[in-house]
Parts: sequence; C-alpha cells; structure tokens
Amino acid sequence: EVQLVETGGGLIQPGGSLRLSCAASGLSVSNNYMTWVRQAPGRGLEWVSVIYSGGTTYYAASVKGRFTVSRDDSNNTLYLQMNSLRAEDTAVYYCARTNYASGSNNWFDPWGQGTLVTVSS
Amino acid sequence: DIQMTQSPSSLSASVGDRVTITCRASQSISSYLNWYQQKPGKAPKLLIYAASSLQTGVPSGFSGSGSGTDFTLTISSLQPEDFATYYCQQSYSIPLTFGGGTKVEIK
Repeated sequence: EVQLVETGGGLIQPGGSLRLSCAASGLSVSNNYMTWVRQAPGRGLEWVSVIYSGGTTYYAASVKGRFTVSRDDSNNTLYLQMNSLRAEDTAVYYCARTNYASGSNNWFDPWGQGTLVTVSS
Repeated sequence: DIQMTQSPSSLSASVGDRVTITCRASQSISSYLNWYQQKPGKAPKLLIYAASSLQTGVPSGFSGSGSGTDFTLTISSLQPEDFATYYCQQSYSIPLTFGGGTKVEIK
C-alpha cells in the first residue's frame, strides 16, 4: 500500500524557517514526480511546488525564492524547506505523488494526511 | 496563469439527486483536467483524471466530461457519503491551478 506521511508543521514566528518532511512507503520518491499542495484555513487548494524524478523543480510565484523542495533518496523522504515565512503561509501542507501519462496529463494521487503550519507572533 | 472557475460555489441537494458541477478554464487546456473530493479534516481524494477517466475504486456514479475550456463533474445519484467539497485542477501548464471548490450540502 502506498502511504505518505507529513511531519514538521507547527507554530512559527513571521520571518522564521521550518522544514516539512513527507515520508513515503510503497513508492520511491526518487522515481516519481512529487508535489506539495497547501490549504489555508477555510480556503481552497493551492499548488506549491513539484520535483520531477530527474530533479527539476518548479514553484508557485507566492513561494518562489523562499521555499525549496528536495528529497532524500536513502530515506525515501520528500522535504519542503520554508524560509522567510509570512502569515499568509499559514496552511495545511499536503504532499502527493504526481501520476503522469502522455503530454501534460498528470494528477495527484495519493495524498498524505497533511501537516499544519501556523505563522504567527 | 490559467484561472479555473467552478460553479456553483455551493449547492444543496437531497440523497438521490443528480448533481452537476461545472469548471471553466481561462484558456483551452485540452483534456488536462482532474477532479478531487475533500471531506472536512481530510486530504483530497482523486475522483476523475484526464477529464473523464474514473480513478480505480471510485464509484461509477461519478463521471466527468468536457474538453477545451468547459468541464463537468456529474454525480448521477447523490449518496450520503458524497456530501463534500469538490475541486477541479488543470495540469496543462505550470503553475498548476485549482478551482475555488464546490461545497455539496444536504438539503
């Protein structure tokens, strides 16, 4: 069974840093496209970042330059390093495998349970 | 960026009703459109990918259609467990974007 488990969330002051982890079982993070999606309290879903199996990364404009996605193949874990955090980064952060087919066909499945990041003084 | 607009933002329906949710893209996205269901406090769950392909394990009462800019998610007969929020998402181009969601509530 494929499972993704996020950890690392918590309360952090504005300007601070936090690293989220997404531990995978039943799939190899290095052989998959892996995505981070966030959801602010009471709001919709927002795509944050993707890392391709080859290592290419992309980011939403709202986090570019502040967040870095990476992975540790030996631990089969995906990471999201978040720096210069702002109140508007407060959200539940989900990791998900990005399945892909031909062209631009790709979709998120499965998802982890999420970890809450609260940026507040 | 491609904007995804869902309508309605919420609806009230009864068990057994046929429900249709629409999603419109700000430009053509071919069939690169996915649908997710999210229940309170839970992670989203994939229902439909590539506009009309039913994810394994998803009940056949769910269906998706459309291409280009206009898409629909249909629930043929609403079940108690279907009361949730539904999101569309385009994978045509980065940044990947979601619709604002449609909350399906019990009438």
